[in-house]
Amino acid sequence: DGGITQSPKYLFRKEGQNVTLSCEQNLNHDAMYWYRQDPGQGLRLIYYSQIVNDFQKGDIAEGYSVSREKKESFPLTVTSAQKNPTAFYLCASSMARNTEAFFGQGTRLTVV
Amino acid sequence: AQKVTQAQTEISVVEKEDVTLDCVYETRDTTYYLFWYKQPPSGELVFLIRRNSFDEQNEISGRYSWNFQKSTSSFNFTITASQVVDSAVYFCALSSGSGNTGKLIFGQGTTLQVKP
Repeated sequence: DGGITQSPKYLFRKEGQNVTLSCEQNLNHDAMYWYRQDPGQGLRLIYYSQIVNDFQKGDIAEGYSVSREKKESFPLTVTSAQKNPTAFYLCASSMARNTEAFFGQGTRLTVV
Repeated sequence: AQKVTQAQTEISVVEKEDVTLDCVYETRDTTYYLFWYKQPPSGELVFLIRRNSFDEQNEISGRYSWNFQKSTSSFNFTITASQVVDSAVYFCALSSGSGNTGKLIFGQGTTLQVKP
């Protein structure tokens, strides 16, 4: 089945650790996005990529990094510089600009 | 600046009632796109509808309908004869801006609870 797969579903991070969230899509979409969702709030854009080997910062990129080496994959690293990383992270992809985005099932990250 | 406002934080209705979720947006662009997504407890966002700024026709899909009014910058969503399965968080989103990259600006979401 075509779709977006995020892993893991739950992730626990110790203070000072970097962690990487995986996002894979088999929809042949060019664009991919990472959003962060905090309780009671809407989604905020962290990073996005429109083509392989290119990505742009979103509204809250500080403390995060990404790579786009393959069209299907857009991993997000939450670095130790991100002071408040506990949140729900959603990955999305879309075929082109202005078309609907499809979302993965999310990764819930908790700092312990 | 672009902004989406969903003033209703939570709505609770009894099954079979009709319910309208409000969405007001702000953008200076003449070309833009509006979306509604549903987020069930599982967490994944489910796409419901996309509307471009040049198409003000209202749309109906089963029990769902959408009212787009540029004059009031609103894109409201109505569920007719609500069901328990409609319980979820609903997000309105906007995509616009020069060199539109497709990134979405979300409202804060409206939590809908449908009681049996």
